[in-house]
Amino acid sequence: DTEVTQTPKHLVMGMTNKKSLKCEQHMGHRAMYWYKQKAKKPPELMFVYSYEKLSINESVPSRFSPECPNSSLLNLHLHALQPEDSALYLCASSHPSSAGHRNQPQHFGDGTRLSIL
Amino acid sequence: SQQGEEDPQALSIQEGENATMNCSYKTSINNLQWYRQNSGRGLVHLILIRSNEREKHSGRLRVTLDTSKKSSSLLITASRAADTASYFCATDRGNTPLVFGKGTRLSVIA
Repeated sequence: DTEVTQTPKHLVMGMTNKKSLKCEQHMGHRAMYWYKQKAKKPPELMFVYSYEKLSINESVPSRFSPECPNSSLLNLHLHALQPEDSALYLCASSHPSSAGHRNQPQHFGDGTRLSIL
Repeated sequence: SQQGEEDPQALSIQEGENATMNCSYKTSINNLQWYRQNSGRGLVHLILIRSNEREKHSGRLRVTLDTSKKSSSLLITASRAADTASYFCATDRGNTPLVFGKGTRLSVIA
């Protein structure tokens, strides 16, 4: 069992659908992350939230829209996705890094496996 | 690119043997971390080594860091079937996001 919970575990959607991925953690971490991972590849960073504010957007297409409603929750809203967006979407959390404060270990959820038809 | 690159890409060993995986990177770093990913699961943090450290141990894991060669190694001693997973190194340059290497797929055969 992981301390970062992601729902749903699997999602199949058409290219015109709108859906949301959810992530929750109760470790008091104030940094949360979305990653995209293709099969047999490393995770690729999409977004970083630090203290509930978007701090990094790695040039992700606008059909992916992140939201951090509070310090425990992170959502990823999906709209008009393409077949190449099919992947495992991982959420992670950590204590935030800041000036003089080095990167902390990240805690990952088990991901949402997304298939776009 | 800062991205680390692990070698070998795939490694198959017998239970009880030691497994060694290497990670090379291109730019100076502040920290290097190793993560494990079991099939269909999220990543699990194994160990973090800072740029001023040369070696760290955690249970059956031993990590070394050679900043002059921009490389790190992960040694798993007395491997078990449950160690079968993909292993990723990840680097950062301080207040920058983690960048993951391509990973090593380890298979431990009982």
